[in-house]
Amino acid sequence: ETGVTQTPRHLVMGMTNKKSLKCEQHLGHNAMYWYKQSAKKPLELMFVYNFKEQTENNSVPSRFSPECPNSSHLFLHLHTLQPEDSALYLCASSHTGTRLGYTFGSGTRLTVV
Amino acid sequence: TQLLEQSPQFLSIQEGENLTVYCNSSSVFSSLQWYRQEPGEGPVLLVTVVTGGEVKKLKRLTFQFGDARKDSSLHITAAQPGDTGLYLCGETSGSRLTFGEGTQLTVNP
Repeated sequence: ETGVTQTPRHLVMGMTNKKSLKCEQHLGHNAMYWYKQSAKKPLELMFVYNFKEQTENNSVPSRFSPECPNSSHLFLHLHTLQPEDSALYLCASSHTGTRLGYTFGSGTRLTVV
Repeated sequence: TQLLEQSPQFLSIQEGENLTVYCNSSSVFSSLQWYRQEPGEGPVLLVTVVTGGEVKKLKRLTFQFGDARKDSSLHITAAQPGDTGLYLCGETSGSRLTFGEGTQLTVNP
């Protein structure tokens, strides 16, 4: 247990479904992140939130919609996904900046059928 | 965003052997972090290196930051099966952490 909790751990969804991924941290961090990890590709930064404000959207398609209601919770809303969106989605948190490192959750393994 | 190259991509060794993995860039790193990711889990921070020429040790792991801050290495002495995992280097810039593809290490008993 790292202190960053992601649910669900596994998710299978059809291309017409709507689902949400949840991330929660109680480490006192004020920055939260979504990453996508696909086979044979580096971890891809998707979104960055600082003090619940989005500060970075790394050209992510609109079928991925993040939400950060407070500094401890982060959601990723999914709709009309494609099979190529199947991947491990990792949430991380940190103090502002990166020098102290990120704490990652265990991820949600998403399969789009 | 600079491209991080990690090598080798895959490494399979026997327990007790030594190994070194590398992280390189064409640009200067502001600082560099090494993470290990085990199957079914997220990456876990091992170390942050900031100063050119810096060497840090974590038990059997030795991390080195190149003098020009464009490369880094991770050396593991007497590898154990518990060292198996994906070793990732990440370049830190502001609030962004950008990763290389990683080295998948397997240590066989």
